[in-house]
Amino acid sequence: SAVISQKPSRDICQRGTSLTIQCQVDSQVTMMFWYRQQPGQSLTLIATANQGSEATYESGFVIDKFPISRPNLTFSTLTVSNMSPEDSSIYLCSVEQGEGQPQHFGDGTRLSIL
Amino acid sequence: SQQGEEDPQALSIQEGENATMNCSYKTSINNLQWYRQNSGRGLVHLILIRSNEREKHSGRLRVTLDTSKKSSSLLITASRAADTASYFCATASRTYKYIFGTGTRLKVLA
Repeated sequence: SAVISQKPSRDICQRGTSLTIQCQVDSQVTMMFWYRQQPGQSLTLIATANQGSEATYESGFVIDKFPISRPNLTFSTLTVSNMSPEDSSIYLCSVEQGEGQPQHFGDGTRLSIL
Repeated sequence: SQQGEEDPQALSIQEGENATMNCSYKTSINNLQWYRQNSGRGLVHLILIRSNEREKHSGRLRVTLDTSKKSSSLLITASRAADTASYFCATASRTYKYIFGTGTRLKVLA
């Protein structure tokens, strides 16, 4: 299965700032996704990162708040913009190597906003 | 909400006992997957069962799927302390990419 490296693993940020999270995969993958996991909660899909085009966002998530890039088939970034304490969560990158295949996850980025 | 429901929310058992977790969902699915998460880290894929399958095994894991009841169960046999984690089901359908259940926190006592 694909090996996924996610950086940073954790960060503490000030209110109003932005943070970019990187996700690097060791092989080309079809699909890449970004999830949010709020404290003690399940995972919620933020968006599907599309290679070479704009990401597809789920209801409740917008590009201005969570801009996503995917310049190639092995790399994606998620930016959390203008952060507030409500954005304190674990952000997870995942990949899928084909339809009907399981997802594989990075270790996540634990983000705390003061 | 389209989120699946899992029960129990929390489960505490002795080492060597079996643990059963249940997942219910609302929409038609292509497949259902179970994941484990240790201490708020990334999720580890455990097993995938397709909508035309009823039961699947992998080592100490047994998963069943009942599409008529829109439910699935995960059985972990002969549990170990290392099985302590949160377990999530996730459904994949044509309409929604993946919907994760609410999760079951399993604690296995040595």
